[in-house]
Amino acid sequence: AQSVTQLGSHVSVSEGALVLLRCNYSSSVPPYLFWYVQYPNQGLQLLLKYTSAATLVKGINGFEAEFKKSETSFHLTKPSAHMSDAAEYFCAVSDGNSGYALNFGKGTSLLVTP
Amino acid sequence: EAGVAQSPRYKIIEKRQSVAFWCNPISGHATLYWYQQILGQGPKLLIQFQNNGVVDDSQLPKDRFSAERLKGVDSTLKIQPAKLEDSAVYLCASRSLGNGDTQYFGPGTRLTVL
Repeated sequence: AQSVTQLGSHVSVSEGALVLLRCNYSSSVPPYLFWYVQYPNQGLQLLLKYTSAATLVKGINGFEAEFKKSETSFHLTKPSAHMSDAAEYFCAVSDGNSGYALNFGKGTSLLVTP
Repeated sequence: EAGVAQSPRYKIIEKRQSVAFWCNPISGHATLYWYQQILGQGPKLLIQFQNNGVVDDSQLPKDRFSAERLKGVDSTLKIQPAKLEDSAVYLCASRSLGNGDTQYFGPGTRLTVL
């Protein structure tokens, strides 16, 4: 069974600073990996996904993530944080054995301070 | 392209009452998922449909939860009777049939059981 672990339930950065949200996965088959963002009282919006093509994936709003098989990681980064980036971020994994249902991490709450 | 629609957005009921949620997926999406998101946690899969058939309902508490997708389009999720621990956001998502294709989420229904 596949799973993800998000390190750090809360991350605080200053506006303009680097954003780094960590995600490690466990999967017995080649995984598909996703990062979703959730703003208060809203549904989940896809930031980016890895589907076995390029290991460096660029997403919306300036976010990107790198798939590192040797480290079983898929960390999310953004060079310069904006106030509007404050939200809950979820890493998720799926594969064909599970009908592509998503297994989510517990989430990381990003706080951006002025 | 219209997104995933869900209703109602909010529902408050007393324990032991029944409640139903409705989801209309993106047109043409064969796969539909219901997730439960308890406050402070990542979403957890309840049930997955492909067209009008159930693919995975292993995590659905079948003594009180039921779901159907009779015509392979809209879906309803029902809870009867509700318990306090059912308070959560219920998210519906849909996906087309390509490998690794994105799941698109609706805004969710926030259920409060008193």
